[in-house]
Amino acid sequence: AQSVSQHNHHVILSEAASLELGCNYSYGGTVNLFWYVQYPGQHLQLLLKYFSGDPLVKGIKGFEAEFIKSKFSFNLRKPSVQWSDTAEYFCAVNAVNNDMRFGAGTRLTVKP
Amino acid sequence: ETGVTQTPRHLVMGMTNKKSLKCEQHLGHNAMYWYKQSAKKPLELMFVYNFKEQTENNSVPSRFSPECPNSSHLFLHLHTLQPEDSALYLCASSQDRNRPYEQYFGPGTRLTVT
Repeated sequence: AQSVSQHNHHVILSEAASLELGCNYSYGGTVNLFWYVQYPGQHLQLLLKYFSGDPLVKGIKGFEAEFIKSKFSFNLRKPSVQWSDTAEYFCAVNAVNNDMRFGAGTRLTVKP
Repeated sequence: ETGVTQTPRHLVMGMTNKKSLKCEQHLGHNAMYWYKQSAKKPLELMFVYNFKEQTENNSVPSRFSPECPNSSHLFLHLHTLQPEDSALYLCASSQDRNRPYEQYFGPGTRLTVT
Protein backbone atom coordinates (compact mmCIF):
# COMPACT_ATOMS: atom_id res chain seq x y z
CA ALA A 1 0.00 0.00 0.00
CA GLN A 2 1.07 3.55 -0.60
CA SER A 3 2.53 5.39 2.35
CA VAL A 4 4.01 8.82 2.84
CA SER A 5 6.67 9.64 5.43
CA GLN A 6 7.48 13.05 6.77
CA HIS A 7 10.37 12.57 9.12
CA ASN A 8 10.36 15.99 10.75
CA HIS A 9 7.45 16.39 13.15
CA HIS A 10 8.33 19.86 14.36
CA VAL A 11 10.87 22.27 12.91
CA ILE A 12 11.79 25.54 14.57
CA LEU A 13 13.67 28.18 12.58
CA SER A 14 14.53 31.83 12.90
CA GLU A 15 13.40 34.27 10.24
CA ALA A 16 15.61 34.30 7.13
CA ALA A 17 16.80 30.75 7.75
CA SER A 18 16.56 28.24 4.92
CA LEU A 19 13.99 25.49 5.07
CA GLU A 20 13.94 21.95 3.82
CA LEU A 21 11.17 19.53 4.80
CA GLY A 22 11.57 15.90 3.87
CA CYS A 23 8.95 13.73 2.20
CA ASN A 24 9.40 10.14 1.07
CA TYR A 25 6.82 7.82 -0.39
CA SER A 26 6.61 4.12 -1.01
CA TYR A 27 5.19 3.47 -4.44
CA GLY A 28 7.11 2.37 -7.49
CA GLY A 29 4.78 3.46 -10.26
CA THR A 30 3.81 6.81 -11.70
CA VAL A 31 2.82 9.25 -8.99
CA ASN A 32 1.46 12.74 -8.61
CA LEU A 33 2.95 14.71 -5.74
CA PHE A 34 1.66 17.59 -3.67
CA TRP A 35 2.52 19.83 -0.78
CA TYR A 36 -0.32 21.37 1.20
CA VAL A 37 -0.09 23.98 3.95
CA GLN A 38 -2.43 24.60 6.85
CA TYR A 39 -2.00 27.98 8.54
CA PRO A 40 -3.29 28.23 12.12
CA GLY A 41 -7.08 28.18 12.10
CA GLN A 42 -7.29 27.93 8.32
CA HIS A 43 -8.09 25.25 5.80
CA LEU A 44 -5.60 23.10 3.94
CA GLN A 45 -4.44 24.79 0.78
CA LEU A 46 -2.23 23.70 -2.08
CA LEU A 47 1.35 25.00 -2.10
CA LEU A 48 2.57 23.20 -5.19
CA LYS A 49 2.12 20.06 -7.23
CA TYR A 50 4.07 17.81 -9.56
CA PHE A 51 2.47 15.74 -12.30
CA SER A 52 5.24 15.42 -14.89
CA GLY A 53 8.04 17.37 -16.60
CA ASP A 54 10.63 19.46 -14.81
CA PRO A 55 11.26 17.78 -11.44
CA LEU A 56 11.90 21.16 -9.80
CA VAL A 57 8.50 22.65 -9.10
CA LYS A 58 7.86 26.19 -7.99
CA GLY A 59 4.82 27.04 -5.91
CA ILE A 60 3.28 29.98 -4.16
CA LYS A 61 5.00 32.18 -1.58
CA GLY A 62 8.52 31.32 -2.72
CA PHE A 63 8.30 27.59 -2.02
CA GLU A 64 9.72 24.96 -4.32
CA ALA A 65 10.04 21.20 -4.27
CA GLU A 66 12.23 18.73 -6.07
CA PHE A 67 11.08 15.33 -7.21
CA ILE A 68 13.90 12.79 -7.08
CA LYS A 69 12.48 9.58 -8.51
CA SER A 70 15.44 7.40 -7.54
CA LYS A 71 15.05 8.43 -3.91
CA PHE A 72 11.24 8.39 -3.86
CA SER A 73 11.44 11.87 -2.42
CA PHE A 74 9.68 15.20 -2.88
CA ASN A 75 11.33 17.61 -0.44
CA LEU A 76 9.98 21.09 0.12
CA ARG A 77 12.37 24.05 0.24
CA LYS A 78 12.36 27.76 0.81
CA PRO A 79 15.58 29.81 0.84
CA SER A 80 14.46 32.32 3.47
CA VAL A 81 11.49 31.75 5.75
CA GLN A 82 9.28 34.42 7.26
CA TRP A 83 7.28 34.47 10.47
CA SER A 84 4.13 34.17 8.34
CA ASP A 85 5.30 30.74 7.14
CA THR A 86 4.47 29.31 10.56
CA ALA A 87 2.05 26.51 9.70
CA GLU A 88 1.70 22.78 9.29
CA TYR A 89 2.92 21.30 6.03
CA PHE A 90 1.60 18.09 4.52
CA CYS A 91 3.09 16.05 1.74
CA ALA A 92 0.65 13.99 -0.34
CA VAL A 93 0.99 11.38 -3.03
CA ASN A 94 -1.42 9.73 -5.34
CA ALA A 95 -0.68 6.99 -7.78
CA VAL A 96 -2.63 6.78 -11.00
CA ASN A 97 -6.20 5.62 -10.26
CA ASN A 98 -5.55 5.61 -6.54
CA ASP A 99 -6.65 8.00 -3.86
CA MET A 100 -4.43 10.56 -2.26
CA ARG A 101 -2.31 9.56 0.73
CA PHE A 102 -1.04 12.18 3.15
CA GLY A 103 1.92 12.29 5.46
CA ALA A 104 1.51 13.03 9.16
CA GLY A 105 2.54 16.64 8.65
CA THR A 106 5.44 18.79 9.79
CA ARG A 107 4.79 21.71 12.07
CA LEU A 108 6.97 24.68 11.23
CA THR A 109 7.49 27.43 13.78
CA VAL A 110 9.35 30.51 12.60
CA LYS A 111 10.65 32.78 15.34
CA PRO A 112 10.63 36.51 14.56
CA GLU B 1 -11.99 30.65 0.61
CA THR B 2 -11.57 27.50 -1.44
CA GLY B 3 -15.14 27.10 -2.65
CA VAL B 4 -15.77 24.28 -0.17
CA THR B 5 -17.85 25.08 2.90
CA GLN B 6 -18.54 22.95 5.94
CA THR B 7 -21.07 23.28 8.72
CA PRO B 8 -21.01 23.32 11.61
CA ARG B 9 -17.46 24.46 12.32
CA HIS B 10 -17.59 23.07 15.86
CA LEU B 11 -19.71 20.29 17.31
CA VAL B 12 -19.86 18.77 20.76
CA MET B 13 -21.97 15.67 21.10
CA GLY B 14 -22.60 12.93 23.59
CA MET B 15 -22.07 9.29 22.75
CA THR B 16 -25.80 8.66 22.37
CA ASN B 17 -26.51 11.63 20.11
CA LYS B 18 -27.16 11.66 16.38
CA LYS B 19 -25.79 14.54 14.35
CA SER B 20 -24.80 15.31 10.77
CA LEU B 21 -21.94 17.20 9.18
CA LYS B 22 -22.57 19.04 5.95
CA CYS B 23 -20.24 19.89 3.10
CA GLU B 24 -20.99 21.93 0.00
CA GLN B 25 -18.72 22.69 -2.93
CA HIS B 26 -19.25 25.50 -5.44
CA LEU B 27 -16.52 24.44 -7.87
CA GLY B 28 -18.41 22.19 -10.25
CA HIS B 29 -16.37 19.20 -9.15
CA ASN B 30 -17.46 15.60 -9.52
CA ALA B 31 -15.58 13.95 -6.66
CA MET B 32 -16.00 14.60 -2.94
CA TYR B 33 -14.16 13.18 0.06
CA TRP B 34 -14.37 12.88 3.83
CA TYR B 35 -11.14 12.83 5.82
CA LYS B 36 -10.43 12.52 9.53
CA GLN B 37 -7.55 14.62 10.86
CA SER B 38 -6.16 13.65 14.25
CA ALA B 39 -3.13 15.18 15.90
CA LYS B 40 0.24 13.80 14.75
CA LYS B 41 -1.36 11.30 12.38
CA PRO B 42 -1.73 11.35 8.61
CA LEU B 43 -5.05 12.45 7.24
CA GLU B 44 -7.25 9.38 7.11
CA LEU B 45 -9.38 9.03 4.01
CA MET B 46 -12.83 7.86 5.09
CA PHE B 47 -15.14 8.00 2.09
CA VAL B 48 -14.96 8.92 -1.58
CA TYR B 49 -17.80 9.77 -3.91
CA ASN B 50 -17.25 10.10 -7.65
CA PHE B 51 -20.20 11.32 -9.72
CA LYS B 52 -22.43 10.71 -6.67
CA GLU B 53 -21.40 7.06 -6.40
CA GLN B 54 -19.50 5.87 -3.35
CA THR B 55 -16.22 4.42 -4.57
CA GLU B 56 -14.26 4.03 -1.38
CA ASN B 57 -14.99 3.09 2.20
CA ASN B 58 -11.74 2.64 4.07
CA SER B 59 -12.95 0.27 6.79
CA VAL B 60 -14.81 3.06 8.52
CA PRO B 61 -17.04 1.98 11.43
CA SER B 62 -20.74 1.93 10.67
CA ARG B 63 -21.38 4.67 13.23
CA PHE B 64 -20.23 6.97 10.41
CA SER B 65 -22.65 7.03 7.49
CA PRO B 66 -22.05 9.18 4.38
CA GLU B 67 -24.64 10.54 2.02
CA CYS B 68 -24.14 12.29 -1.32
CA PRO B 69 -27.49 13.47 -2.71
CA ASN B 70 -25.85 15.35 -5.60
CA SER B 71 -22.37 16.24 -6.77
CA SER B 72 -22.34 19.49 -4.80
CA HIS B 73 -23.36 18.20 -1.38
CA LEU B 74 -21.92 15.64 0.97
CA PHE B 75 -23.09 14.66 4.44
CA LEU B 76 -21.59 12.60 7.22
CA HIS B 77 -24.19 11.22 9.60
CA LEU B 78 -22.93 10.41 13.07
CA HIS B 79 -24.50 8.19 15.72
CA THR B 80 -23.31 6.50 18.91
CA LEU B 81 -19.80 7.85 18.53
CA GLN B 82 -16.89 7.11 20.83
CA PRO B 83 -14.54 9.62 22.49
CA GLU B 84 -11.72 8.49 20.16
CA ASP B 85 -13.80 9.80 17.25
CA SER B 86 -13.05 13.32 18.43
CA ALA B 87 -11.07 14.95 15.60
CA LEU B 88 -11.21 17.49 12.80
CA TYR B 89 -13.35 16.19 9.94
CA LEU B 90 -12.40 17.60 6.58
CA CYS B 91 -14.35 17.61 3.37
CA ALA B 92 -12.60 17.98 0.04
CA SER B 93 -13.52 17.99 -3.62
CA SER B 94 -11.71 17.50 -6.89
CA GLN B 95 -12.56 17.58 -10.56
CA ASP B 96 -12.56 13.82 -11.00
CA ARG B 97 -11.21 11.00 -8.85
CA ASN B 98 -9.76 9.09 -11.79
CA ARG B 99 -7.47 11.72 -13.29
CA PRO B 100 -4.47 13.64 -11.96
CA TYR B 101 -6.04 16.17 -9.66
CA GLU B 102 -5.61 18.46 -6.74
CA GLN B 103 -8.10 18.51 -3.92
CA TYR B 104 -9.73 21.58 -2.47
CA PHE B 105 -10.46 21.43 1.23
CA GLY B 106 -13.09 22.94 3.44
CA PRO B 107 -12.27 24.48 6.83
CA GLY B 108 -13.33 21.36 8.71
CA THR B 109 -15.67 20.54 11.55
CA ARG B 110 -14.01 20.20 14.96
CA LEU B 111 -15.89 17.33 16.61
CA THR B 112 -15.71 16.59 20.32
CA VAL B 113 -17.41 13.48 21.64
CA THR B 114 -18.07 13.55 25.37
